[in-house]
Amino acid sequence: KQEVTQIPAALSVPEGENLVLNCSFTDSAIYNLQWFRQDPGKGLTSLLLIQSSQREQTSGRLNASLDKSSGRSTLYIAASQPGDSATYLCAVKVEATGTASKLTFGTGTRLQVTL
Amino acid sequence: DTGVSQDPRHKITKRGQNVTFRCDPISEHNRLYWYRQTLGQGPEFLTYFQNEAQLEKSRLLSDRFSAERPKGSFSTLEIQRTEQGDSAMYLCASSFAGLDEQYFGPGTRLTVT
Repeated sequence: KQEVTQIPAALSVPEGENLVLNCSFTDSAIYNLQWFRQDPGKGLTSLLLIQSSQREQTSGRLNASLDKSSGRSTLYIAASQPGDSATYLCAVKVEATGTASKLTFGTGTRLQVTL
Repeated sequence: DTGVSQDPRHKITKRGQNVTFRCDPISEHNRLYWYRQTLGQGPEFLTYFQNEAQLEKSRLLSDRFSAERPKGSFSTLEIQRTEQGDSAMYLCASSFAGLDEQYFGPGTRLTVT
């Protein structure tokens, strides 16, 4: 059974700092990995999708890396801003055999960026 | 089309009542997913449709839960005889087979009193 762990559970940083969020998964046979942002009481916003054949993806100040063999992904946020404050979730999709298509989520890292 | 929409956004019901939620996916997406999220946890998979066919169901989806996607467009999730343990955020997502990046709606917050 695939299990996804995110460390730390919560993080507080001053504005302007660069930071790294970690995600690990137990079964390396993944099809892709997605990072999401969730604001309190809201739905999920997709940030980055990394296919299993890729090593990293970048979007603006965000960079996500994937090391499939070691079961790890990191989300790097450069020059953090108060508007980045949210919960960040990673999710993996198992290799697509048959009809398997669900995402398995971690419990998230709650980020607060202070002024 | 601005994204996945869900209705209602909030629902308060008494234990034992039936509730139904609706999800409208992004129009060109042929895959639709339902997830449930409780406080402080990540979303958990409930069920998945490709077009109108329900292809996968979680063990979390008890006999009181049923989902449909009759014409391969919108979907409904019904919970019969609600229990307090059903209180959660119900999230819908859609994707296009192939790239399969999932896009989520705003969720329906269910409170069972």
